[in-house]
Amino acid sequence: EAGVTQFPSHSVIEKGQTVTLRCDPISGHDNLYWYRRVMGKEIKFLLHFVKESKQDESGMPNNRFLAERTGGTYSTLKVQPAELEDSGVYFCASSQDQAGASTDTQYFGPGTRLTVL
Amino acid sequence: AQSVSQHNHHVILSEAASLELGCNYSYGGTVNLFWYVQYPGQHLQLLLKYFSGDPLVKGIKGFEAEFIKSKFSFNLRKPSVQWSDTAEYFCAVNGGNDYKLSFGAGTTVTVRA
Repeated sequence: EAGVTQFPSHSVIEKGQTVTLRCDPISGHDNLYWYRRVMGKEIKFLLHFVKESKQDESGMPNNRFLAERTGGTYSTLKVQPAELEDSGVYFCASSQDQAGASTDTQYFGPGTRLTVL
Repeated sequence: AQSVSQHNHHVILSEAASLELGCNYSYGGTVNLFWYVQYPGQHLQLLLKYFSGDPLVKGIKGFEAEFIKSKFSFNLRKPSVQWSDTAEYFCAVNGGNDYKLSFGAGTTVTVRA
């Protein structure tokens, strides 16, 4: 079974440019999460999809960040325009939707390392 | 709001030494607790989790963790580490119907051969 995949693995852009990150969850997983780790600090939650619906976007830093999950399969996270403080590693995770699902294991992708110059 | 505190930023050990990583959390309700590990060049993977039952949880690769409710702690242990345990370890928590994980800052463990 394929794990969670993310593309690209690295992205280097200049301040003011746009970047789109992609996440493909494990097939059949309804839940998809985005997290971010900035400069060796804690991994922080950004948002949570259940299928194509945004369940919780309380962690999104500001309106320069836009996440989508059309069709409930893969997800994209767009940063427009990018700022220096957006640099970090962006992780995607997925989990199945089961009863008591907050206990479900979240399976993480390898992350996308974003550097904004 | 939930918060997670990992006591050590970097731990250096020799092979066969015992490992204990501290994790304390702040959360008012029922909690689910997780330890994740990230080996060099690899993605985060689950070592073990606790959500109910026996507070002593056994995970993969010989790791275990003990949930002590009165101390709001979920410390990770391994009796005898190997060079291959060199990695970064993360404690995480969620609770109730809240799916999102709150992570500690991570502890880098370096095992010297």
